[in-house]
Amino acid sequence: GIQVEQSPPDLILQEGANSTLRCNFSDSVNNLQWFHQNPWGQLINLFYIPSGTKQNGRLSATTVATERYSLLYISSSQTTDSGVYFCAGRGGNTPLVFGKGTRLSVIA
Amino acid sequence: DSGVTQTPKHLITATGQRVTLRCSPRSGDLSVYWYQQSLDQGLQFLIQYYNGEERAKGNILERFSAQQFPDLHSELNLSSLELGDSALYFCASSTGQGEGYTFGSGTRLTVV
Repeated sequence: GIQVEQSPPDLILQEGANSTLRCNFSDSVNNLQWFHQNPWGQLINLFYIPSGTKQNGRLSATTVATERYSLLYISSSQTTDSGVYFCAGRGGNTPLVFGKGTRLSVIA
Repeated sequence: DSGVTQTPKHLITATGQRVTLRCSPRSGDLSVYWYQQSLDQGLQFLIQYYNGEERAKGNILERFSAQQFPDLHSELNLSSLELGDSALYFCASSTGQGEGYTFGSGTRLTVV
């Protein structure tokens, strides 16, 4: 099945800083999603982005399907951005496979 | 509110017991997926149902079983519980036509 690798595993930022999270996948995907898991455990869907670029406020994501990677950009980070960011992909009819996540801590 | 409803939100039970977790998918979604997230682990796929039928199976233990009912809600049954079964259990739904999944808020199971 598809392997999903995320980097970096951990990230500490000062409030107001920008960051880029990366997701590499081992094979072609037809579904690529980014999620934020908050400190209470809730899994929030950020983007469904099998290809191209999307933006939502301070967050944006780009997937380059031909090169098998996706990037999540967080600008002007806030303490509420803290948590774990997961990338997940699927190919064909296989279920969504998650990476191990990037743990982000934003410090005031 | 994502539209996917999971109950209960928290569950504490003793080793050896059996519990049932419930999931109501988003309106119109035919596929239901169950995932397990143990402490400091990523999300592991357990099982998928599509319109009442089992579609895919992941790393689901034999002590665990699931089903999807005619009204499309799903239940995950966990039996002979062990301490290691303590985890967050998530349900997700989709139309089943290859687009994004929507996750519920999870059930936090603690086995003592």
